[in-house]
Amino acid sequence: AQKITQTQPGMFVQEKEAVTLDCTYDTSDQSYGLFWYKQPSSGEMIFLIYQGSYDEQNATEGRYSLNFQKARKSANLVISASQLGDSAMYFCAMREVPALSGSARQLTFGSGTQLTVLP
Amino acid sequence: DTGVSQNPRHKITKRGQNVTFRCDPISEHNRLYWYRQTLGQGPEFLTYFQNEAQLEKSRLLSDRFSAERPKGSFSTLEIQRTEQGDSAMYLCASSLGDRGRKETQYFGPGTRLLVL
Repeated sequence: AQKITQTQPGMFVQEKEAVTLDCTYDTSDQSYGLFWYKQPSSGEMIFLIYQGSYDEQNATEGRYSLNFQKARKSANLVISASQLGDSAMYFCAMREVPALSGSARQLTFGSGTQLTVLP
Repeated sequence: DTGVSQNPRHKITKRGQNVTFRCDPISEHNRLYWYRQTLGQGPEFLTYFQNEAQLEKSRLLSDRFSAERPKGSFSTLEIQRTEQGDSAMYLCASSLGDRGRKETQYFGPGTRLLVL
């Protein structure tokens, strides 16, 4: 079963409007972290925002906010006041805390959503 | 503030040749990760170093792949006898310490490999 599901392969938004990118996840762990990254056409993955499973408040970073609904296992990214430079691929990722010290702490990524901001 | 750097940015090679990629992490970061990303997909984990020790390898990392991180600084990823299926973007990421679930990985620009 996929651990991270992004059901929107592509999204369009008008400049200056808000947009929500969906992400659902699957884990049996109680402690985990959720991340959103932006990948422009140049290829570099740019960290945007983090949400911890025990965080009571939804994370915010500038124009980015995370709509975290733990019971529904969803962590949707909201981008407010979209800009042309926001056009990129967006990935949701999860990091489960390993039981053993020294075990891999890799991120598991979804398949991404291609966001296009229209002028 | 220097980020993660990777070289080369692009590599074209013929099937059967060996290639080596380099990753320079953020200087104080003790953890280093390699991922592979194919077209239209998210990155997939390959291997992980804590300082100079390679602590885990994915099943994706066949015996043609080898990674090193001498002295816990830069890392190299070598692919021997390349195959067309190795064509992908190879991403390196680094992170600092053990901040539990909040540990944030910072990625380099990647190396795009094309095997002809």
